[in-house]
Amino acid sequence: EIVLTQSPGTLSLSPGERATLSCRASQSISSGYLAWYQQKPGQAPRLLIYGASSRATGIPDRFSGSGSGTDFTLTISRLEPEDFAVFYCQQYGISPLTFGGGTKVEIK
Amino acid sequence: QVQLQESGPGLAEPSETLSLTCTVSGGSISSRSDSWSWIRQPPGKGLEWIGYIYDSGNTNQNPSLKSRVTMSLDTSRNKLSLRLSSVTAADTAVYYCARKSGALGVFDIWGQGTKVTVSS
Repeated sequence: EIVLTQSPGTLSLSPGERATLSCRASQSISSGYLAWYQQKPGQAPRLLIYGASSRATGIPDRFSGSGSGTDFTLTISRLEPEDFAVFYCQQYGISPLTFGGGTKVEIK
Repeated sequence: QVQLQESGPGLAEPSETLSLTCTVSGGSISSRSDSWSWIRQPPGKGLEWIGYIYDSGNTNQNPSLKSRVTMSLDTSRNKLSLRLSSVTAADTAVYYCARKSGALGVFDIWGQGTKVTVSS
């Protein structure tokens, strides 16, 4: 099983600032099969990024993903008030499919 | 657009079998490429993939739950179902159904989730 470790656990930032979230895998993820999801309180997760760097339909371009192998990053270039949430990475290259523990981006 | 809606008992007793249903609207569950998944989230914790099923009936399940999980599709009613046997308090969670896109490989559409508490 691929274990995904997200860091930091919590990120305290102000609107307008840049957010950099990390996701590290316990083994290489083939073909960049890494996704990112955003979850707000009381809501289901929403797909942001797939294939490590492709934005899902309707996702603003301030969200970007990068990385390969075992190290991946989600960057939010300028935080908007609606961006504060918990973010999860997920690998879909090898079964069982696994999620990281999440990074909470909170308002400073 | 495709929408998913979970339903369930809300409360289950320890050792019982939990049954959940997900109704798909705005599209057919009979997709040759997409699959239909269950994912859960214990209170205050992260996400755990339970499994997915294709319209062929083929499934792929998390080994950690496989012995207790049964997944099925009712294509005539556009519904998918999850049965989880011998539940304990550790199975208390919000249970989501989600479409796993055949084109993208990821969970691109999610239901709002149904909360299940296991308690006597």
